[in-house]
Amino acid sequence: KQEVTQIPAALSVPEGENLVLNCSFTDSAIYNLQWFRQDPGKGLTSLLLIQSSQREQTSGRLNASLDKSSGRSTLYIAASQPGDSATYLCAVKGGSQGNLIFGKGTKLSVKP
Amino acid sequence: NAGVTQTPKFQVLKTGQSMTLQCAQDMNHEYMSWYRQDPGMGLRLIHYSVGAGITDQGEVPNGYNVSRSTTEDFPLRLLSAAPSQTSVYFCASSYERAANTEAFFGQGTRLTVV
Repeated sequence: KQEVTQIPAALSVPEGENLVLNCSFTDSAIYNLQWFRQDPGKGLTSLLLIQSSQREQTSGRLNASLDKSSGRSTLYIAASQPGDSATYLCAVKGGSQGNLIFGKGTKLSVKP
Repeated sequence: NAGVTQTPKFQVLKTGQSMTLQCAQDMNHEYMSWYRQDPGMGLRLIHYSVGAGITDQGEVPNGYNVSRSTTEDFPLRLLSAAPSQTSVYFCASSYERAANTEAFFGQGTRLTVV
């Protein structure tokens, strides 16, 4: 059974710092991996999607990498801002059917 | 673009009452699903559908029913609400059998069962 783990559970950093969020999964046979952002009381917003054949994806200050063989993905946030404060969720899609398996998230707080 | 729309946003039910959470998407996605999000548990899959007329159970299906009569709509029915069903419910949709397309989520329904 696929399990997704995100470390750390919470992270507090000063504004301007570069940071890395980690996601690991137990079964490397994934279809794709998606990073989401969730603000308090809100829904999930997709940030980046990495197909199983890709190594990384970039969007603005965000860069996500994927190492299928080791079962790991990282989300790199450059020059963090207070507006980046949110919970970041990692989810893997295990097959062509759309079922996503989620980690429990990393709650990020960026202090001004 | 409406995307995925969930109604209602908030609901309070008494134990034993029934209700339907609505979910609609306007992206012609084949795949739709329902998740519940609980503190410390993350998001867990309740039911999913790969197309009109086809549904299947996820990780935590007990106490919930679904049907998919159209591509656009995927309602979630609580048959007899229990306090354990207090949670935030999210509906999601995506293209089926496509590795390069993302899942889209609704804004959630916050349900309290008293």
